[in-house]
Amino acid sequence: DVVMTQSPLSLPVTLGQPASISCRSSQSLVYSDGNTYLNWFQQRPGQSPRRLIYKVSSRDSGVPDRFSGSGSGTDFTLKISRVEAEDVGVYYCMQGTHWPPTFGPGTKVDIK
Amino acid sequence: EVQLVESGGAVVRPGGYLRLSCATSGFNFDDYGMSWVRQTPGKGLEWVSGITGNGGTWNGVTIAYAESVKGRFTISRDNAKNSLYLQMNSLRAEDTALYYCARGSSVCCDYWGQGTLVTVSS
Repeated sequence: DVVMTQSPLSLPVTLGQPASISCRSSQSLVYSDGNTYLNWFQQRPGQSPRRLIYKVSSRDSGVPDRFSGSGSGTDFTLKISRVEAEDVGVYYCMQGTHWPPTFGPGTKVDIK
Repeated sequence: EVQLVESGGAVVRPGGYLRLSCATSGFNFDDYGMSWVRQTPGKGLEWVSGITGNGGTWNGVTIAYAESVKGRFTISRDNAKNSLYLQMNSLRAEDTALYYCARGSSVCCDYWGQGTLVTVSS
């Protein structure tokens, strides 16, 4: 199975400041159709996960534009341009290119 | 409005079995792959199983399982009932988790249910 790693695992942030989470896969996530199936999910305390980003950089409907995804191959990044209080939670990357899909361990974002 | 509602979670003894269900509405169920994802209390997410939609394949298969459940769990769908199922046999303590139904398999998962809790304990 493809192993997903994330760093950092804990990210204290200041409101209004940027934040960045790194995600790496143990093998390339480029599928045979040329797409890269790397997703980012947010899980707020007590809630179900919510997908923010799919195929590396496409933002889901209703997701604020302060969230952006980038990367290629095996290295990916989720950026929050200006952290707001509602962004507190755990962020997971997940690859869907190779079955079974696998999640990263999660990065806990909280406010300093 | 897309809705996913899981049911069937319970307390079960090791070696026992359960069948989880996910009732869906608000979208054309046939057209979408579906997944089961679980979360151990206080821990991360683990994709458990997925099934493609509309007869499609992903990496040449229509169904896949995490190694941890292969041979014990069976995913299925009833397109006439817009429902997804997970038959779980030979349950172990480590299967204790909140089980989510989610829309999408290969392109996972844009909508999630609220989860149903499975506890495996003697």
